[in-house]
Amino acid sequence: GPKVLQIPSHQIIDMGQMVTLNCDPVSNHLYFYWYKQILGQQMEFLVNFYNGKVMEKSKLFKDQFSVERPDGSYFTLKIQPTALEDSAVYFCASSLVVTGQLYFGEGSKLTVL
Amino acid sequence: AQSVTQPDARVTVSEGASLQLRCKYSYSGTPYLFWYVQYPRQGLQLLLKYYSGDPVVQGVNGFEAEFSKSNSSFHLRKASVHWSDSAVYFCVLSAGNTEGADRLTFGKGTQLIIQP
Repeated sequence: GPKVLQIPSHQIIDMGQMVTLNCDPVSNHLYFYWYKQILGQQMEFLVNFYNGKVMEKSKLFKDQFSVERPDGSYFTLKIQPTALEDSAVYFCASSLVVTGQLYFGEGSKLTVL
Repeated sequence: AQSVTQPDARVTVSEGASLQLRCKYSYSGTPYLFWYVQYPRQGLQLLLKYYSGDPVVQGVNGFEAEFSKSNSSFHLRKASVHWSDSAVYFCVLSAGNTEGADRLTFGKGTQLIIQP
């Protein structure tokens, strides 16, 4: 079936550095999402993105976070600067329509030291 | 605000036995409900979904779920589990926001362990 690819699968960085998580969504999908899952906790919504704009973001989407999808390439989540509490697995998802099925990637595990 | 509760963090079942994973939701409107499964080192995969109509919905691999508005529940069932069903199962609610891209509310997940 359709696949969402995430790169990298795991990244370890020092606190204060910048990190970019990349997502290659399903090719004809229009809506894109990032979710955050801290180990042992609930998956939580960060942000959704449509037509080049952030449509909605949660309180977890701090000012240090940004998303973009330049020229229809990767959908990226950038964190600058990173903090210890940013350590988590970040899941990208995409959907074709607003209430359609979401397809999730395998997650990018971020460890901030 | 909506919420999803999966009261069991871990469920252990013998292979071949029946299964029920519980899910309760809280939402004032009409919910869209999903069950997703996450196998080790893989992304979440959709098992089944409920939008409207017949409250019992069939999914992949013999799973089904029953929506109950009166109980605010969407329990997942399977008649006979297989060792390959070992995974984490998430109950998920969508408010069906048609004005923009949707956000999902996840339960904490239930880890299913199948004993031989």
